Amino acid sequence: EAQVTQNPRYLITVTGKKLTVTCSQNMNHEYMSWYRQDPGLGLRQIYYSMNVEVTDKGDVPEGYKVSRKEKRNFPLILESPSPNQTSLYFCASSQPGLAGRTDTQYFGPGTRLTVL
Amino acid sequence: QKEVEQDPGPLSVPEGAIVSLNCTYSNSAFQYFMWYRQYSRKGPELLMYTYSSGNKEDGRFTAQVDKSSKYISLFIRDSQPSDSATYLCAMRRLQGAQKLVFGQGTRLTINP
Repeated sequence: EAQVTQNPRYLITVTGKKLTVTCSQNMNHEYMSWYRQDPGLGLRQIYYSMNVEVTDKGDVPEGYKVSRKEKRNFPLILESPSPNQTSLYFCASSQPGLAGRTDTQYFGPGTRLTVL
Repeated sequence: QKEVEQDPGPLSVPEGAIVSLNCTYSNSAFQYFMWYRQYSRKGPELLMYTYSSGNKEDGRFTAQVDKSSKYISLFIRDSQPSDSATYLCAMRRLQGAQKLVFGQGTRLTINP
């Protein structure tokens, strides 16, 4: 089954304790992204990657790191989490579309993170 | 001012009603316009996309883009309780460009 998986699905942690949220896709997609979703703010892009070893900042990259060492994996790293990073996080993947068609983003199930 | 504005609702309508969901945007460079549907405790899934201005129909769903007014709409005909979800508009500038900008999402409930 084609899917994007994220782990963990739920995480409660404390300020300053480094954590990693994993993301993996089995569709051989080139593009992957991380988003956070907050009430009243919608989905905001944190980082994206257009291929292995190619990453770029989205709209809210502060406090986050990513890496893309393999095509299928795109982990999100919080080196020193703070309470304002409490949010619902989504990973997504897509494949460049044909001319005139957009590339559909496939989203993972989400990771609910609470930073105390 | 946000680049993309969407009324968060909530919106509650009876089964069978026609639903209209809307977004406005400020960046005239946006070329690709999408609607995603998100059920509770799930990730968003692509529902409709439109390139540039015009209409697109898929079953009970119609997406409209008016670039001159910087306004996009999603219409749902003969709404069903299974359509109850949050609907997010999204847009981007170029094919393949990965900077996707979302609206806040509208929570829709269809009452049986």
